[in-house]
Formats: sequence, C-alpha cells, structure tokens
Amino acid sequence: AQTVTQSQPEMSVQEAETVTLSCTYDTSENNYYLFWYKQPPSRQMILVIRQEAYKQQNATENRFSVNFQKAAKSFSLKISDSQLGDTAMYFCAFPSGGSNYKLTFGKGTLLTVNP
Amino acid sequence: NAGVTQTPKFRVLKTGQSMTLLCAQDMNHEYMYWYRQDPGMGLRLIHYSVGEGTTAKGEVPDGYNVSRLKKQNFLLGLESAAPSQTSVYFCASSYLGQKNIQYFGAGTRLSVL
Repeated sequence: AQTVTQSQPEMSVQEAETVTLSCTYDTSENNYYLFWYKQPPSRQMILVIRQEAYKQQNATENRFSVNFQKAAKSFSLKISDSQLGDTAMYFCAFPSGGSNYKLTFGKGTLLTVNP
Repeated sequence: NAGVTQTPKFRVLKTGQSMTLLCAQDMNHEYMYWYRQDPGMGLRLIHYSVGEGTTAKGEVPDGYNVSRLKKQNFLLGLESAAPSQTSVYFCASSYLGQKNIQYFGAGTRLSVL
C-alpha cells in the first residue's frame, strides 16, 4: 500500500525565519509526482509546489522549495522568509493506486507563523 | 474565474435525511473527485470520475453515491445520512493533459445530527 506520512502535527516559526516541514512516503512506483498543498483558515486547498520524481533538481516556487530525496522517499518543504499569511495546514500528497491522478494525502502539519 | 464551485457551503442534516452536494467546474476538466476531510485524517477520496458518464470508487465510498451526467458537474449523494458522515467535503477537478494537478473547491461543511 502506498502511504504518506507527515510526522509533525504542529509547528511554529517566527516571521521572516525559515521552517522545514517533513514528509515521507512509500511506493513501488519509479516515476511519479509529489505535491504540497496549503490550506489556510479559509479552507481553500491551494497547490504550493510539485516535484517530478525523475527530476533530480529540487522544485522551487518563490519562497517555497523542496528537498527531494528519492532513495530515502523523503519530500520536505522549506519555507523561507516566513510570512503571517503562511499560517495554514500543509498537506503532502502523492498519486496512489498505480494511477497518476488519484491523490493520497498525509494527515497534515499545522504551521503557525508568529509575529 | 469561477474554477470549481461547490454548493451548498454549509448544511445541517438529521440522521436518515438525504441530500445532494453539487460540484461544478468551468475549466472543461475531464477528471473530477470528491474527498472528505476529518480532523487529523487529511483528505480521503470518496469517489472520482474520469469522464462524463463514468464514476469509480475511491478509498471511502460506503454511504455515498455519485453521478456525472454532464462533464462540468459531479454530484455527491447521501441517501440516508449518518453522524459518521459529519465532515468537510471537497470537490476537485483536473484535466487530461495534466491530470495529477487538482484544483479544489472551497468545501462544504456538513453536520449530521
């Protein structure tokens, strides 16, 4: 079975500092995608960043970057220069069941950015 | 840009009542999905559809039915609501060319008393 594990239920960071959220997964697939979604208090799910497993280069989107370790099946999200608006639940997600479109989500990490 | 629209946003039901949640997308996406979100559980896939007229079961399909009569709409039905179905429901869609990127609606908060 393919699983996604987020081991940090809650984290906090001071504004302008850097924080890393961890995610590990289990799969027998060789080519796949990994995602980080953000869910602010508004409840809207927003795609933050996507990583393709066959690409060795880590994905980057402005202040958000990933550290993708394929052999270790680790996919962490780094947020630099944290802002108050980054306060949200963050979910790691991974296509499951042999498909590349049905997502399995981790249980989430609640990130609070403190002023 | 409407994107994915869910109706209603909130609903309270009594045990045994039925209701239908509507999801509409205006992006001409082929794939559509229904998830539920419970505290500490992340999102779990209920049902999904890979095209008009087709549906399939996800991880937690029991107690729900779906229909996709039109490409832009995906309906989630609860025939006899139970308190265990109290949850936040999310609809999402994706298109064939980039099917793994899902766009989400704002969610429906459902309480079953």
